[in-house]
Amino acid sequence: SQKIEQNSEALNIQEGKTATLTCNYTNYSPAYLQWYRQDPGRGPVFLLLIRENEKEKRKERLKVTFDTTLKQSLFHITASQPADSATYLCALRIDTGRRALTFGSGTRLQVQP
Amino acid sequence: SQTIHQWPATLVQPVGSPLSLECTVEGTSNPNLYWYRQAAGRGLQLLFYSVGIGQISSEVPQNLSASRPQDRQFILSSKKLLLSDSGFYLCAGGGLAGVKGNTGELFFGEGSRLTVL
Repeated sequence: SQKIEQNSEALNIQEGKTATLTCNYTNYSPAYLQWYRQDPGRGPVFLLLIRENEKEKRKERLKVTFDTTLKQSLFHITASQPADSATYLCALRIDTGRRALTFGSGTRLQVQP
Repeated sequence: SQTIHQWPATLVQPVGSPLSLECTVEGTSNPNLYWYRQAAGRGLQLLFYSVGIGQISSEVPQNLSASRPQDRQFILSSKKLLLSDSGFYLCAGGGLAGVKGNTGELFFGEGSRLTVL
């Protein structure tokens, strides 16, 4: 069955460093992959979408890569700030007949001042 | 962009009681609509999705049902709640990337926290 795995339950880094989060998937070749941010008690907020023919995408301090051979996406936050502390979720559509996204369990990022 | 309104925000219900969570959408027409559930510290589990009025796809067999009586209204219901129905319920709207000009992103409501006692 399709699996979406995110690298760890929690990631602690120092302010100013680059945070790197991993999303691995199996058994499918999605046309695109998305990243969301979720704060405690709130709904997720869309950050970036990257398509299968795009190797890298940037938005301000965020960078996403998509390696369809490795079946992996990396999500980077450069010059991290305490305000970046949140849970980050990756999502993809695992079945062409299913018009819905499947989400990973998320990685909680804590940026220490 | 779309705005998703969801209510109630918090709900405490006894086992065996009925449930109705409502979701409405602003800013778009004919959106795909979704109900997800999130257990504490876990990812999002897709419960139902709808691509149009009266069209509901169920993802997992469970004690819940969904209805879409109007284009921009999506309702999650239960006739008799179980303890295991407790969780954080999220309504979302959006379309598939590349279809009808959609970007593929989902817009989420603020969530409804249900505690079944």
